[in-house]
Amino acid sequence: DTAVSQTPKYLVTQMGNDKSIKCEQNLGHDTMYWYKQDSKKFLKIMFSYNNKELIINETVPNRFSPKSPDKAHLNLHINSLELGDSAVYFCASRPDNQETQYFGPGTRLLVL
Amino acid sequence: GQNIDQPTEMTATEGAIVQINCTYQTSGFNGLFWYQQHAGEAPTFLSYNVLDGLEEKGRFSSFLSRSKGYSYLLLKELQMKDSASYLCAVRDASGGSYIPTFGRGTSLIVHP
Repeated sequence: DTAVSQTPKYLVTQMGNDKSIKCEQNLGHDTMYWYKQDSKKFLKIMFSYNNKELIINETVPNRFSPKSPDKAHLNLHINSLELGDSAVYFCASRPDNQETQYFGPGTRLLVL
Repeated sequence: GQNIDQPTEMTATEGAIVQINCTYQTSGFNGLFWYQQHAGEAPTFLSYNVLDGLEEKGRFSSFLSRSKGYSYLLLKELQMKDSASYLCAVRDASGGSYIPTFGRGTSLIVHP
C-alpha cells in the first residue's frame, strides 16, 4: 500500500529513557513533518524537513531530534523522556507541488 | 505567531447544514487549511484556501476572507460519519518558515 507509516503504534516507557519513532513514506514526497497532539487534541508542528532544509520549531526542546537517513524516512529520537512528552506523535508528508499533507496513523507515547 | 480561534464543540442534525467558523491573526498569511480528524485516527486533508472566496468540494465547502482574518467550513447534507473534530490551520510565511499552526479543533456531533 502507498502510505505514510509509523512504528511503533504504541510506546510505553519509563521517564528518563531514550526512544525513537520511525516514519516512512513511499509516496515519493519531498517534505516530511512531525507533529505532537496532546491530551487536549491540540496539534502542534515540531519539525518540517525536506532534502534541503530542516526547519525546527523553536518551542521544541532539544531533547527531540529528527533524523532523516533518506528522502523516504524521517525518524524522531527523544532523549531523557519526561512525563509531559506523553502524547500522540504524527508523521506527515507532502509533495512540493501540492498543499495536501498526508498523515501517518500516529504513535501513542505514554511516559510513566 | 498566529492566534487561531474556532468553537470547541457544535452539534447538528443528520441531513442538515453546519458552518464551522475560524478566525485568525497572522503577520504573514500564506494559506488556510481545514482537516478532519475522527477519534483515534490521523487528520485527513479537506481543503486549502489562499485567495478570498469559496472553494467547493462535494458536500464540503471552505470560504476565506483575508481582510477579515476569517474562514468557515460548510458541511451540507450531514451524515453520521461526519461526526469528528475539524481543525483549522493557518500557514505563516513570515521568517521564511512556512509552518502551519493549528487551532484547537471543533468537535462536531451529528445526531439522528
